[in-house]
Order: sequence, then C-alpha cells, then structure tokens
Amino acid sequence: GAVVSQHPSRVICKSGTSVKIECRSLDFQATTMFWYRQFPKKSLMLMATSNEGSKATYEQGVEKDKFLINHASLTLSTLTVTSAHPEDSSFYICSVRAGGSTDTQYFGPGTRLTVL
Amino acid sequence: QQPVQSPQAVILREGEDAVINCSSSKALYSVHWYRQKHGEAPVFLMILLKGGEQKGHEKISASFNEKKQQSSLYLTASQLSYSGTYFCGTDRTGANSKLTFGKGITLSVRP
Repeated sequence: GAVVSQHPSRVICKSGTSVKIECRSLDFQATTMFWYRQFPKKSLMLMATSNEGSKATYEQGVEKDKFLINHASLTLSTLTVTSAHPEDSSFYICSVRAGGSTDTQYFGPGTRLTVL
Repeated sequence: QQPVQSPQAVILREGEDAVINCSSSKALYSVHWYRQKHGEAPVFLMILLKGGEQKGHEKISASFNEKKQQSSLYLTASQLSYSGTYFCGTDRTGANSKLTFGKGITLSVRP
C-alpha cells in the first residue's frame, strides 16, 4: 500500500486567516489524490479530486474559491482553506489510490483544523 | 449515491461475533472496508471486487454479493481492538475513480 503523510496534524487559527494543509505520497507517484472532510461522528465527505498538473475536480456544493487545491507534483497536493471561519473547523484527510481499480485508497493521518 | 450501512451501531462483548452490512442501489465495481478509531484516519481492512468474492484476514472476513449489490463484514471472536467506526466505500466504475462512503457503523467491544 501507499504511505501518505499530512502536515500539520493540528492547526488553530483565527477567523479570516488562510490555512494550508500538505498531503504527501511518500512511496508512490500519485497523479490523483483525494481530499475529504469529516465532522465529528460523521462520514467522510469527498471535497475534491486533485489532479497532478491540472485543475482539481470539486464535488457539488464545495466552493472552489474557498478550498484551493494545488497538485504541483506527483508526490504533493495542498489544500488551502481561505478566509477560514468557525464552520470550516473539521478533520481534513487526504488519500491516494495507488494501484488502480484493484487497489484501495490509503489515507493520510488527517489534519484537525480549529478556527476561532 | 451514498451506500447504506446497517445496523447503525453494534455493542458486543469480547469474543462475540458481529455482522455489518453495506448496500447500494447501483451496480458496483468494488467495495472497500475501513475501520476508524476516534481522532485517527481510516485504516484499510479489505477490498472486494465484483464477481462475488469473499476475503478474510485473521478473524475478519467479508463477502460481496454482486447481484444484490451488498457487502457484509464478518467479525468473529471479537477483540477489544475491534472497537471503532466501520465504513464501507463503494466504487461504481473502477478506473482509479473516487469512493463514496457510507455513514459508518459504530462498533463497541466490551470486556
């Protein structure tokens, strides 16, 4: 399976600031990465599919101008929460699908964002 | 479309068995099972591909009934470490596509 890291693991910021979350695929070159958010005791909600070298594909209802995704290399995707507000507080998790259709998604450890 | 997981919650004693289910109204290419502990990311358990297969890993096994578009996860002789939230993720097309996750089932194993 793929090994995925995220940074930071926790971040607390003031309302109105922007926060960048990094997702790295440590042992696999990922043309596609996925970004999820999860509220307490809720399911994993797919926010967007990050495509290396091209624009991300956002799910319906996700503001692309608020959640900026950049996938500049085969090992790094970043999610920037712009002008964060308390309702953006959540657990953000990225994943990589390493082996195509017969393999699963491997998740990073997640980033806990708290907006004050 | 989000798969439906049942039951909503399971409470059992150490050593007991449990079955949790994942159903879809659409044809599926594969079903993926994960377990998530509080505050942590989901951990992969197993993947089942269309063709109606069964898989097992130690005391956890799963099946996929392609005709019914349903997968079941079987936990036998449960251990305290099995506690967590179990999610199924469904893939309708393959081809490195995204997964759609169910709401999850909370399973608590007590001594």
